Amino acid sequence: AQTVTQSQPEMSVQEAETVTLSCTYDTSENNYYLFWYKQPPSRQMILVIRQEAYKQQNATENRFSVNFQKAAKSFSLKISDSQLGDTAMYFCAFLEGGSEKLVFGKGTKLTVNP
Amino acid sequence: GAVVSQHPSRVICKSGTSVKIECRSLDFQATTMFWYRQFPKQSLMLMATSNEGSKATYEQGVEKDKFLINHASLTLSTLTVTSAHPEDSSFYICSPRGDLLWTEAFFGQGTRLTVV
Repeated sequence: AQTVTQSQPEMSVQEAETVTLSCTYDTSENNYYLFWYKQPPSRQMILVIRQEAYKQQNATENRFSVNFQKAAKSFSLKISDSQLGDTAMYFCAFLEGGSEKLVFGKGTKLTVNP
Repeated sequence: GAVVSQHPSRVICKSGTSVKIECRSLDFQATTMFWYRQFPKQSLMLMATSNEGSKATYEQGVEKDKFLINHASLTLSTLTVTSAHPEDSSFYICSPRGDLLWTEAFFGQGTRLTVV
């Protein structure tokens, strides 16, 4: 079964600084998708960024970018110019192509300090 | 992204009563609905998966008679917590998915259930 590991339960960063959240996963499949979701205090799950495994180019969405290392099965999220509104739980998630179930990591609680 | 409406956002009920949570996909057809439960400071735990017009498939350890799922239409699914007990208090989240958006997961706003 696929597993997703987030090794950092909590992290903090100063406003305007850069922070990287780590995520590793385990799969024997070649076709899959990876996601980072943000869950702020409101608890609404928000998609931050997504990466298709067949794409070599790392996905980028404004201040959010990923470092996708397929061979190492690593999918880290970099947040640049951190803002107070980035304070949230961040979940890494995996979806196997053809499967229907998202597999979530345990999450990283990120606090952005003023 | 797609619009998902989950209602109610908060509910308090007495032990022994039943509570129904609704999840609507407002601008796409949800052929599959996922229901999650989230304990404080923990990740989302998949409870069950349902396809429109079919019986739900429950994850191991989830009581199907306690958590009744109905997915009668492509835009509405409901989760009913029957004979609720305090240990059922939790945060419940729905996630509808459509055939054309299969690799996109959208989520409802969640329902905080408190059983007293």
